[in-house]
Amino acid sequence: ETGVTQTPRHLVMGMTNKKSLKCEQHLGHNAMYWYKQSAKKPLELMFVYSLEERVENNSVPSRFSPECPNSSHLFLHLHTLQPEDSALYLCASSQDRAAPYNSPLHFGNGTRLTVT
Amino acid sequence: AQKVTQAQTEISVVEKEDVTLDCVYETRDTTYYLFWYKQPPSGELVFLIRRNSFDEQNEISGRYSWNFQKSTSSFNFTITASQVVDSAVYFCALSEANGRSQGNLIFGKGTKLSVKP
Repeated sequence: ETGVTQTPRHLVMGMTNKKSLKCEQHLGHNAMYWYKQSAKKPLELMFVYSLEERVENNSVPSRFSPECPNSSHLFLHLHTLQPEDSALYLCASSQDRAAPYNSPLHFGNGTRLTVT
Repeated sequence: AQKVTQAQTEISVVEKEDVTLDCVYETRDTTYYLFWYKQPPSGELVFLIRRNSFDEQNEISGRYSWNFQKSTSSFNFTITASQVVDSAVYFCALSEANGRSQGNLIFGKGTKLSVKP
């Protein structure tokens, strides 16, 4: 098993659909993250979970709803998305979130989302 | 506010050339961490290196080397004798040790490196 696994790899959805992205980490890490990677923009941090508690929500619209049922799994529930939400959504995990660790992030391959 | 600038959007070199990827950062924190990640076409970001703000020693790992200079707020990455497999997008990132956003990675826009045979 690779360290961080994301499914699906590709997703096409209409603006009225509801879908979920899944992320699973097999590294025994305590923190998990969702990042959005759009064309020509820096990676944007969306959500951070530490020990299954959400500790960061970076002004993300409510049409994105994260869920962290346990330290190994992270979901991103999507509903009524807009075409500008099309992007690569990357999940990551780290041993610990904050200082003094600032542990490196281990990323999954991402889900390429297209909203039509 | 924290910011990471990678001024080079794309670089193209021929195999065996040396190439340096630039990274300039901004932070008000005195304790921070700098990272480099590689993103091959498969999409997964691969961690390359982490440096803390108190360690300005340059580091070498095989064909990779990093030059950290606090005086110029730069953390440049050099690949020696580049290979086709080095083709990827490379991201520089900053993480602060204090404050509300501690631990969050702030990424630059990335530099796309193409190594031609």
